[in-house]
Amino acid sequence: DGGITQSPKYLFRKEGQNVTLSCEQNLNHDAMYWYRQDPGQGLRLIYYSQIVNDFQKGDIAEGYSVSREKKESFPLTVTSAQKNPTAFYLCASSPIGRLYEQYFGPGTRLTVT
Amino acid sequence: GDSVTQMEGPVTLSEEAFLTINCTYTATGYPSLFWYVQYPGEGLQLLLKATKADDKGSNKGFEATYRKETTSFHLEKGSVQVSDSAVYFCALSVASGGSYIPTFGRGTSLIVHP
Repeated sequence: DGGITQSPKYLFRKEGQNVTLSCEQNLNHDAMYWYRQDPGQGLRLIYYSQIVNDFQKGDIAEGYSVSREKKESFPLTVTSAQKNPTAFYLCASSPIGRLYEQYFGPGTRLTVT
Repeated sequence: GDSVTQMEGPVTLSEEAFLTINCTYTATGYPSLFWYVQYPGEGLQLLLKATKADDKGSNKGFEATYRKETTSFHLEKGSVQVSDSAVYFCALSVASGGSYIPTFGRGTSLIVHP
């Protein structure tokens, strides 16, 4: 089955530690995105990438970093510089030719204490 | 900038009731419009879309019509089921320099009682 996988589903970390969230897709989509979702809020864009080895900051990139070494993979690192990292993180992808549509993974809930 | 405004929830209905969730937008260009649905603890799923004025998107009994004159894209369903309980997000996407970066509303929670 084609789709987007995010792992793990739940992640717990201590303050001051960096943590990397995985996002893999086998849809052959060119564009990939990371969003943050907080209770009662819409989705806020962290980073996006339209081609391998290239990515752009979204609205709330501070304290986060990404890489895009392969078309299928777009990992997100939450660094210790992110002041309030506890949130639900969603990865999405879009096919070339329909970049306006987004297909989402199941999300990772990160809790930092 | 672009923005999407949805009615605040939760919207609470009995099974088989008629559903409307209002969505209005502002956009600098000519957007495509979407409704996404999120079930508890899951990611968002594309529910329906419309890419030009007067288009009607439909899926699983849900419908929404792209109204350019009122900048609206209201979601409707004639008879809701308990399984429709979820959070619904209205979104727009406009081309900008070859990219399409969506703008999402805050979401409207729907609770359907048997």
